[in-house]
Amino acid sequence: QVQLQESGPGLVKPSQALSLSCTVSGDSIRSGENYWSWIRQPAGKGLEYIGRIYTSGSTNYNPSLKSRVTMSVDTSKNQFSLRLDSVTAADTAVYYCARVRIEVVGSGYHFYGMDVWGQGTTVTVSS
Amino acid sequence: DIQMTQSPSSLSASVGDRVTITCRASQSITTFLNWYQHKPGKAPKLLIYAASTLQGGVPSRFSGSGSGTHFSLTITSLQPDDFATYSCQQSASAPWTFGQGTKVEIK
Repeated sequence: QVQLQESGPGLVKPSQALSLSCTVSGDSIRSGENYWSWIRQPAGKGLEYIGRIYTSGSTNYNPSLKSRVTMSVDTSKNQFSLRLDSVTAADTAVYYCARVRIEVVGSGYHFYGMDVWGQGTTVTVSS
Repeated sequence: DIQMTQSPSSLSASVGDRVTITCRASQSITTFLNWYQHKPGKAPKLLIYAASTLQGGVPSRFSGSGSGTHFSLTITSLQPDDFATYSCQQSASAPWTFGQGTKVEIK
């Protein structure tokens, strides 16, 4: 059974960096059979795509956050991580990591939804 | 960015009812449309991907249809476990975007 588990501080001060990790069990990031993503949901609002990463380290970020986001992957630990710089209260949310279904098409991919999610971790930005 | 608009934003229904939720994309996404169910304090659950393909383990009372810009999720006979929020998401073009969600409540 594939499981994802987010970890990281639940409280971050304004202007500091938010750092989260997602540990994958039951699947291998190194296999290259999936992309891996971060999604967040502020209280009372809808889900927001933060970005995705592949085993090679190839990334795609939401332009609305691109200047502040960095994702990385550590295949030796079977983990991928999110760093969000210069946080404000607007970054307070539940953060989820998720596995992305993909299909290889030529030299690219088709993406078919996120089929396994972590339980989510609440991050509050406050002094 | 592709905007995803769901309707209604909420609905009240009874166990056994047939429920349909619609999702409209601001431009064509062919069939790169996914549906999720989420409940408070739990991880979202993928129900349907590629507009109409049922994710493994999801009951057959859930179905999806549509292509281009108009999509729908139908629950043929609402069960107690189905009271939740449902969101659509397009994976045709980055950045992926979600609908605002439809909350299905007990009448």
